[in-house]
Amino acid sequence: AAGVIQSPRHLIKEKRETATLKCYPIPRHDTVYWYQQGPGQDPQFLISFYEKMQSDKGSIPDRFSAQQFSDYHSELNMSSLELGDSALYFCASLRRSLTSTDTQYFGPGTRLTVL
Amino acid sequence: ELKVEQNPLFLSMQEGKNYTIYCNYSTTSDRLYWYRQDPGKSLESLFVLLSNGAVKQEGRLMASLDTKARLSTLHITAAVHDLSATYFCAAKKSSGDKLTFGTGTRLAVRP
Repeated sequence: AAGVIQSPRHLIKEKRETATLKCYPIPRHDTVYWYQQGPGQDPQFLISFYEKMQSDKGSIPDRFSAQQFSDYHSELNMSSLELGDSALYFCASLRRSLTSTDTQYFGPGTRLTVL
Repeated sequence: ELKVEQNPLFLSMQEGKNYTIYCNYSTTSDRLYWYRQDPGKSLESLFVLLSNGAVKQEGRLMASLDTKARLSTLHITAAVHDLSATYFCAAKKSSGDKLTFGTGTRLAVRP
């Protein structure tokens, strides 16, 4: 079965640079979530989109922005990168319905290293 | 604000033994999830528990939910090395989208 696709899988950036992470949800999934997981930490919710509109917002820094496009893929844009932004960034998707268990299916993650 | 706590944080088990991981959450949640994560890998969905008294089993893992106590458990039966991973519980409030994760339990099964 098709899974969530994230690209790139690994990314190395310098401080103060910008980065763009991409997420392609499972086909027919209409909701996308972004999570950040620091080393040895639990995943922290950043932001989510449903039908191309922001649906919830968590602890996302102002330096980060995200959007969902008409084909439902999503991009997380990160500017003025800091050392503390080094983490695994996960995208998850689901298809909303009245009978759904709302299980979020996670992608493989993008490992961002800021030097 | 929804808070989720797990214990223990680290669990070293001998193969063949049983053990339970506990997950407490602070406010009403309409969904409780269990995920498995291997080092550096993605989160794999194990169980979703929807109602009080719900019990689900898959192989050597069994999850249950007590909404009155705001407690979920993940019971491991006759552990095998392949179960070594980090296990996260996560809760979701009915009014929002996000999952709030517990701290994770790092399970190591030794021969």
